[in-house]
Amino acid sequence: AQKITQTQPGMFVQEKEAVTLDCTYDTSDPSYGLFWYKQPSSGEMIFLIYQGSYDQQNATEGRYSLNFQKARKSANLVISASQLGDSAMYFCAMRGAWDTGNQFYFGTGTSLTVIP
Amino acid sequence: DGGITQSPKYLFRKEGQNVTLSCEQNLNHDAMYWYRQDPGQGLRLIYYSQIVNDFQKGDIAEGYSVSREKKESFPLTVTSAQKNPTAFYLCASTPVSSYNSPLHFGNGTRLTVT
Repeated sequence: AQKITQTQPGMFVQEKEAVTLDCTYDTSDPSYGLFWYKQPSSGEMIFLIYQGSYDQQNATEGRYSLNFQKARKSANLVISASQLGDSAMYFCAMRGAWDTGNQFYFGTGTSLTVIP
Repeated sequence: DGGITQSPKYLFRKEGQNVTLSCEQNLNHDAMYWYRQDPGQGLRLIYYSQIVNDFQKGDIAEGYSVSREKKESFPLTVTSAQKNPTAFYLCASTPVSSYNSPLHFGNGTRLTVT
């Protein structure tokens, strides 16, 4: 069964510091995609970064990077130089191959608070 | 610009009434999804559709119904059988062709039933 686990319900980080949000996943499929989303208090879901199961290098998008450790089945999000606007809920998600029904599996989320 | 439009943003209904939430996309995506989110919680899948005129139940389909008569539209009806309908509802879409495509979300509808 596919599963995503986020073990940190809440995190605090000082402005301008880096923070790591944890995500582990469970799947027997060889092909899958891993995604991170940000949800501010307004509610919209903002796509941040993607990592494919066959990608050799860790994904990066501006201040966001994904620490992908395939053998450990972890896909941690690293936010560098935190800003006050980074305060939000963050969700990790996994998508299986197209023949598994195009389902997405979400973690329970981590609430990040950036302290001035 | 392409995107997903959910309307209305806020919806208020009396208990016992059915209510339909609208979701329209112009991204030419085949797959569409409805999620429910309760305060401080994650996303739970209600229904999803990979092609017109076909849809599958998600984890919490009881008390909800959907239709997919057009590729662009995937309305969700919250029926009076849904015991706790007050929640934040998110619609999303994605191409079906590859596992590297993210879900694109609408801005959500906050439903309050009293």
